[in-house]
Amino acid sequence: QSVLTQPPSVSGAPGQRITIFCTGTNSNIGAGYDVQWYQHLPGTAPKLLIFINNDRPSGVPDRFSGSKSGTSASLAITGLQAEDEADYYCQSYDSGLSGWVFGGGTKLTVL
Amino acid sequence: QVRLQESGPGLVKPSQTLSLTCTVSGDSIGSNSYFWTWIRQPAGKGLEWIGHIYTRGTTEYNPSLKSRVTISLDMSKNQFSLKVTSVTAADTAVYYCARAPTVIDPTSFFPDSWGQGALVTVSS
Repeated sequence: QSVLTQPPSVSGAPGQRITIFCTGTNSNIGAGYDVQWYQHLPGTAPKLLIFINNDRPSGVPDRFSGSKSGTSASLAITGLQAEDEADYYCQSYDSGLSGWVFGGGTKLTVL
Repeated sequence: QVRLQESGPGLVKPSQTLSLTCTVSGDSIGSNSYFWTWIRQPAGKGLEWIGHIYTRGTTEYNPSLKSRVTISLDMSKNQFSLKVTSVTAADTAVYYCARAPTVIDPTSFFPDSWGQGALVTVSS
């Protein structure tokens, strides 16, 4: 059981907008700690998509955006493309555990 | 462009020590701009932070693994390493090494470059 909760799967058609939610507690996201998002294709290196809640590294399209409110965070992907099909993970710091924690991951299927 | 590559035995016997090395190219592990981390993913499960090491050798470990984990730097080879002692089947996972930018907020951690991962199986 991951400290940060994500839906196991989401899906959407090409061109659509989807949102992946990451639910935490008052010892991690709710405490104000930054949230990051990663994209991962099995067998490859995970890729940083969003850092410090809503910043994008150079090279990440602006179709990807992050937000945070209360004890939750979300990753939105607009203009869905086939190449977006991957696993997505959220991550933050947890003061109760004194370390960094990840969500269980969400598998995005592009229909 | 930085590249990270994990290497080490793919099979370790229970109760023995798991050892992995991450070779870094395109950047110096002596750079104060980054620190170096290990993260793992058991089959069918999410990612788990193991620990990281700063340029000066300071380390931070996941409290759940702290008693069994050691991360070290080898500046001469531009490598950093992971050792996990007394392994069990629960340590079977894909192990990733990664680089994370050094920022002012010590709780802000976001690895921006990762290796491809190395599968380590614990079995007799």
